[in-house]
Order: sequence, then C-alpha cells, then structure tokens
Amino acid sequence: EAQVTQNPRYLITVTGKKLTVTCSQNMNHEYMSWYRQDPGLGLRQIYYSMNVEVTDKGDVPEGYKVSRKEKRNFPLILESPSPNQTSLYFCASSWEPNNSPLHFGNGTRLTVT
Amino acid sequence: DQQVKQNSPSLSVQEGRISILNCDYTNSMFDYFLWYKKYPAEGPTFLISISSIKDKNEDGRFTVFLNKSAKHLSLHIVPSQPGDSAVYFCAASASLILNFGNEKLTFGTGTRLTIIP
Repeated sequence: EAQVTQNPRYLITVTGKKLTVTCSQNMNHEYMSWYRQDPGLGLRQIYYSMNVEVTDKGDVPEGYKVSRKEKRNFPLILESPSPNQTSLYFCASSWEPNNSPLHFGNGTRLTVT
Repeated sequence: DQQVKQNSPSLSVQEGRISILNCDYTNSMFDYFLWYKKYPAEGPTFLISISSIKDKNEDGRFTVFLNKSAKHLSLHIVPSQPGDSAVYFCAASASLILNFGNEKLTFGTGTRLTIIP
C-alpha cells in the first residue's frame, strides 16, 4: 500500500530533550516536506526537500533540522524542544513539487512540557 | 499575516443539501489553488484543484469556483453526504507554471464541515 509513515504518532517530552520524528514514504517520491498544524494558523511548512541531499527552509524552520540522506526517509529533528513546539506535525511527499498533489502521513502529536 | 483565509471555522449542512466552503486570499501572485480534506487522526488528502486560467473545475460532486477579481474561491459539494464531514483546507501557490507548487504552498486555517443526517 502506497503510504507516508510517521513515527511516533504521539510523543510527550520535556524541554531540551532531543527528539526525532521519522517519516518514510514507499512511493519513490522525490519531494518531501514537513508541516505543523496549530489552532487558528492552519498548516505551516517547516522544511522541504526537492531530492536526496537537497533541503530548504519553509516558513517556520526555527528550532528544527532535517536530513535527506536517502529518497524514502525525511526525519524531523528537534535538537532542544521547547513548549512552543507543541503541535501536530505532518510529513508529506509528492512525485515532484509541481506536478502532483501532496500525500500526507497521519500526523505526530508532540507535547513539550 | 494570513495570506489564505477561511473565515468560517465551522459549517453544518443537512444531508442532501449543498455545502459551500469559502476561501479568500490576499496575494495576487497566487495562481494555483487546491482543496484538501482531513478526517480526524489522519493526514489531509487532496480533493480538487484549479489554476488561475480557469474559473471553475468540477469533479463529481465537488466543484471549485475561482473569482480572481475578488480573490475568492469556493468549494461546492452537491449533494452533501455524511462521509463529507471533515475539515477542509484551502491552499494556494504562486507556482509560475500553473501547477501544484508544493514547495511554496500556503494553507488556510480550515473549515470543519458537519453533515447532519
């Protein structure tokens, strides 16, 4: 089944404790992206990747890192999480950035205390 | 500054009637518009799109209308069904080539649609 898989689905952590949210897609998509969803703000892009080893900042990249060492995986790294990063995170992918819609994962709800 | 606005956080519609979801945008460079649908505990899924060279696009029960002069688009669902109950996100991009423009997609805040049986 074609899908974007995020792990974990739920995560509660404390301020400053490094964490990684994994994202993997099995559709051989070139383009991958991370979003956060917050009440009243909709979905905001954190980082995106046009292909392996090519990443770029979205609208809200502060406090996040990403890597794209292989095509299928695009982990989101929070080196020192803070409470304002409490949010619902979505990973998404598409064949190319301009020719097909995004396929989203089911989300990761992160709480930072 | 919210460049894509969905001013109705929620909407309730009787089953079988028409659902109309609205979206306004402020950036005149936007040339491609999309609607995504989201069920609870799932990620958004693509529903329908329209480029700025058209004013209407239809796909089954779903029709999107674009009014460029008013910077407004709307999604019509006819007839509404219980399975349409979800959150709907409007999105826009300045893609330059009139296609998806995923790397610079701006989403609205969403409208929760509830279909009443």
